[in-house]
Parts: sequence; structure tokens; C-alpha cells
Amino acid sequence: GAGVSQSPSNKVTEKGKDVELRCDPISGHTALYWYRQSLGQGLEFLIYFQGNSAPDKSGLPSDRFSAERTGGSVSTLTIQRTQQEDSAVYLCASSPWRGTDTQYFGPGTRLTVL
Amino acid sequence: GESVGLHLPTLSVQEGDNSIINCAYSNSASDYFIWYKQESGKGPQFIIDIRSNMDKRQGQRVTVLLNKTVKHLSLQIAATQPGDSAVYFCAENISNTGKLIFGQGTTLQVKP
Repeated sequence: GAGVSQSPSNKVTEKGKDVELRCDPISGHTALYWYRQSLGQGLEFLIYFQGNSAPDKSGLPSDRFSAERTGGSVSTLTIQRTQQEDSAVYLCASSPWRGTDTQYFGPGTRLTVL
Repeated sequence: GESVGLHLPTLSVQEGDNSIINCAYSNSASDYFIWYKQESGKGPQFIIDIRSNMDKRQGQRVTVLLNKTVKHLSLQIAATQPGDSAVYFCAENISNTGKLIFGQGTTLQVKP
């Protein structure tokens, strides 16, 4: 079946602009995660959605970052007033229903802030 | 603080040899561990996982070993192939928190 998809695959923006990144999880998966990967680095946890529970936002680096998950499916990560240090690959993952299940990753969105 | 670290940033092996990638973790409350493979320009791909009530798990050509006493995890790849060239990440889940803590990654280079 279809895996996790993300759009756009690449995004170039100017410093100070807002960006929205989209994630479509695997159908039926109730848990959804966002991570950030800087060049040559590991993955940094950002936010976690589990069903209808309040999301775990503990990894969001600043209040410029926010995420929503509508209807328990598609998620959007929004970065306001982008800074150059926000440049990274933003990865989304989903898992069937609970936090300790295997997470399946999308291809990521490469964000470049000029 | 929480951390997952890898001992070597780059591992170079000859095609056909076995590869061993090591990982240390620091949180005793971690109860689930995963190895991911990431090829250039792609998202991480699940390889194998292990829960803390096990010390060994085998998959196809891969074996994960978990030593909770010294908080050490390893990934063994048998008969390494050129297609195994990638960056390998270990990740830990801290008891039902949902989020994974990733190590920095080890680059595996397979020489033909």
C-alpha cells in the first residue's frame, strides 16, 4: 500500500516568510510524528500526535513552530518568520496506533531559507 | 540528559564481509530500540527492532543485539552488499513516550 507522503519535496523561501509543510500518513495509522534533520545529523523530535489526545509538543524549538492534524489524518507543520537556522529536512512518520510501534517515514521536505 | 550515540561515524567494509555497527544509549527507561537505514535523499527505512525484554533478534541478513547492562546496541549485517551502503541510525523509545531519540548515524561504505 501507499507509504507516508510529504509535500513539497523541496521548498526554498526567504528569511522572514512563513512556510507550511504537509504530511499524509499511512491510511489507518493513528500516530503521527514530525522530526527535523540537519545536514549530516541525526533526527530531532519535534511533535507527536496520537489519536485525539493532546499532541506532545515538547520538541518544538520555538513558538514559531506549530503543527496541526486535521481529522486524525493529514498534518501540517507551519514555521512562521523563517530563519536560516530552520534550513533542514523535515521528516514525517506514522505508526499504527501507539508510541512503541514501528514508525514509518516519508521522504521528507528539504527546506532552504535564504 | 538523554542521548544516543554511535561509536564510529564511518565504517568501511569489503563486499561479502560482515558489518557491525554499534550504538550506546544512556536512558535506562528506554524499552524499545530500532535500527533505521537512510539512503541519500530518502527518509529513514525500518530495518529491525528489539524490545527490552529481549537480547537478540534476527531478521534477513541482520541481527540486533541488546546489552542492557552496559546500555549497548549493535546491528550486524551478514555478507554486506553494495546496496547496504547508507547511513544507519539507532533510535530508542523511552517507555511509551512515543517519540524516538536518534543517534547521530554511522555511514557504512561497502567496497566492491
